[in-house]
Amino acid sequence: QQQVKQSPQSLIVQKGGISIINCAYENTAFDYFPWYQQFPGKGPALLIAIRPDVSEKKEGRFTISFNKSAKQFSLHIMDSQPGDSATYFCAASAINMDSNYQLIWGAGTKLIIKP
Amino acid sequence: ETGVTQSPTHLIKTRGQQVTLRCSSQSGHNTVSWYQQALGQGPQFIFQYYREEENGRGNFPPRFSGLQFPNYSSELNVNALELDDSALYLCASSAGWASGTSEGYEQYFGPGTRLTVT
Repeated sequence: QQQVKQSPQSLIVQKGGISIINCAYENTAFDYFPWYQQFPGKGPALLIAIRPDVSEKKEGRFTISFNKSAKQFSLHIMDSQPGDSATYFCAASAINMDSNYQLIWGAGTKLIIKP
Repeated sequence: ETGVTQSPTHLIKTRGQQVTLRCSSQSGHNTVSWYQQALGQGPQFIFQYYREEENGRGNFPPRFSGLQFPNYSSELNVNALELDDSALYLCASSAGWASGTSEGYEQYFGPGTRLTVT
């Protein structure tokens, strides 16, 4: 019930296209859903995050869509660029889990943007 | 505003040895979380410190221990190193949920320490 399932494992998108990565969760106590971008040899960088009281959040070319009833959320990267090539992780957290808010991570999606 | 820093960048140790990794949190953050990331996998939560107290622990044995100092910097100590401990160790700082804002949830990561155990 603590898992976050992420798909696809890898994704190849043409430059200018839309990249879509999906995540699903079981624990209805989760109340914070961030996406992280990680380049090889670097730490994850927070891209965008959403709380369950909204269905969509947009920041620049990055959009999170959130479906509370389906327990799913997704990351959309519009106008994908070669510089977006990285590994993307979804995660989830719940403040009530042992009074801390550890992040539970998906397995990651390796995104390659072809020029 | 200074970001999260970690030291050392890389470390090679022998099985059975002990190691200490260090993390300086972002200015204004009082909560530090440590994660282990094996190659090709997502990070796994080790533990979290809030105002110098351990505030939650993942599924890691007691030979993984930590400290947080009054300036909110932190150390991760691993005793009796095993080959499977080879990984990228990540430190993340946050303002803490007690900040009362959604931003308190946001965890900002350092570049990590690559530990190799031979």
